[in-house]
Amino acid sequence: SQQGEEDPQALSIQEGENATMNCSYKTSINNLQWYRQNSGRGLVHLILIRSNEREKHSGRLRVTLDTSKKSSSLLITASRAADTASYFCATDSGGGADGLTFGKGTHLIIQP
Amino acid sequence: DAGVIQSPRHEVTEMGQEVTLRCKPISGHDYLFWYRQTMMRGLELLIYFNNNVPIDDSGMPEDRFSAKMPNASFSTLKIQPSEPRDSAVYFCASSRRREAFFGQGTRLTVV
Repeated sequence: SQQGEEDPQALSIQEGENATMNCSYKTSINNLQWYRQNSGRGLVHLILIRSNEREKHSGRLRVTLDTSKKSSSLLITASRAADTASYFCATDSGGGADGLTFGKGTHLIIQP
Repeated sequence: DAGVIQSPRHEVTEMGQEVTLRCKPISGHDYLFWYRQTMMRGLELLIYFNNNVPIDDSGMPEDRFSAKMPNASFSTLKIQPSEPRDSAVYFCASSRRREAFFGQGTRLTVV
């Protein structure tokens, strides 16, 4: 069964705007990861946030984690056409990469 | 490193035929995962290995599916016999710690 559920399912914004995607999960986690998938390609790891962290930054990416609400958000600032992709959150409840559980993803379209 | 390598990239087969998907993980990674992606069900974990040993195969949909990892540098996912509902993109991923590295996937079409 799916652990993470992304919201919205699809998002279309203008280039230069910020894009925010959300992820909700059901059970306790050790960490949460975000991945990007370009059409026809494999998933690429973007960022990992541990359960004891509340916010993390990487370049134009900002991830927040609220374990009390079992939710996370991914913010992409100053979006670019190349950011067009599907974005997935993945949760890890085990001690390592024990079978990451993915949501169905948010399809992000950046319009030039 | 060339990353996770999957073959073939595309496979079209007739219902009832045997299909074998192949994966070469990144050298030094001790976890290997097989995922299936469809529009309806999203990305599903089928099975994963740790140090070549299958740890959890609860995601394998039926006995028609089997996976092996004879050594640290090779794994196969076999479907026998294949059915049209098996049509999907199958991904292999490997990991050493927490970040998973995905291959480009095999797009399987069963007609």
